[in-house]
Amino acid sequence: KNEVEQSPQNLTAQEGEFITINCSYSVGISALHWLQQHPGGGIVSLFMLSSGKKKHGRLIATINIQEKHSSLHITASHPRDSAVYICAVPYNTDKLIFGTGTRLQVFP
Amino acid sequence: KAGVTQTPRYLIKTRGQQVTLSCSPISGHRSVSWYQQTPGQGLQFLFEYFSETQRNKGNFPGRFSGRQFSNSRSEMNVSTLELGDSALYLCASSLQRNSRVGETQYFGPGTRLLVL
Repeated sequence: KNEVEQSPQNLTAQEGEFITINCSYSVGISALHWLQQHPGGGIVSLFMLSSGKKKHGRLIATINIQEKHSSLHITASHPRDSAVYICAVPYNTDKLIFGTGTRLQVFP
Repeated sequence: KAGVTQTPRYLIKTRGQQVTLSCSPISGHRSVSWYQQTPGQGLQFLFEYFSETQRNKGNFPGRFSGRQFSNSRSEMNVSTLELGDSALYLCASSLQRNSRVGETQYFGPGTRLLVL
């Protein structure tokens, strides 16, 4: 069993739809990262959160430490949101353990 | 402020050769981590350096090694290359003010290595 699991693995949506990506983890952590990887490989850190909710533009991330679960929401999705979204948890200071990623495609 | 840079961006080697990849962190960042990404295994942690010391190491063979210089720049080396070492190698830097919680990591564009 992976220590960090994401669902779904693949997701397609029409422009404007509300998107939810889930991440569950089994290791004990105090913070969780959401990353975005575009074709070509570049990775951008979207959020790092240790409790509650964070919002940046159309992106919202929530975390429930007790249930070891986090969600990434995208409101009013757009084709430029098409990317792989990866959650990661720190283990031993900054050693990150990654989920397998969710490939999102948003069609116009 | 310039982002994390990695050189080279692309590299082709043959089995048995060795390779050195370089990573320059964001100015002021003291922690550099290295990751390997393959289609089969996804993203995996290689090692992390802080103030020229390796603090964490992933489950990779001894052929994978690294170092960090006094200016925080880091290099990783892979010796006796194998076909399975073909991957995207990413480095990421962070300030490391609070090592218990973890900090936002800033990723470089990666070095794509192909081993023939």
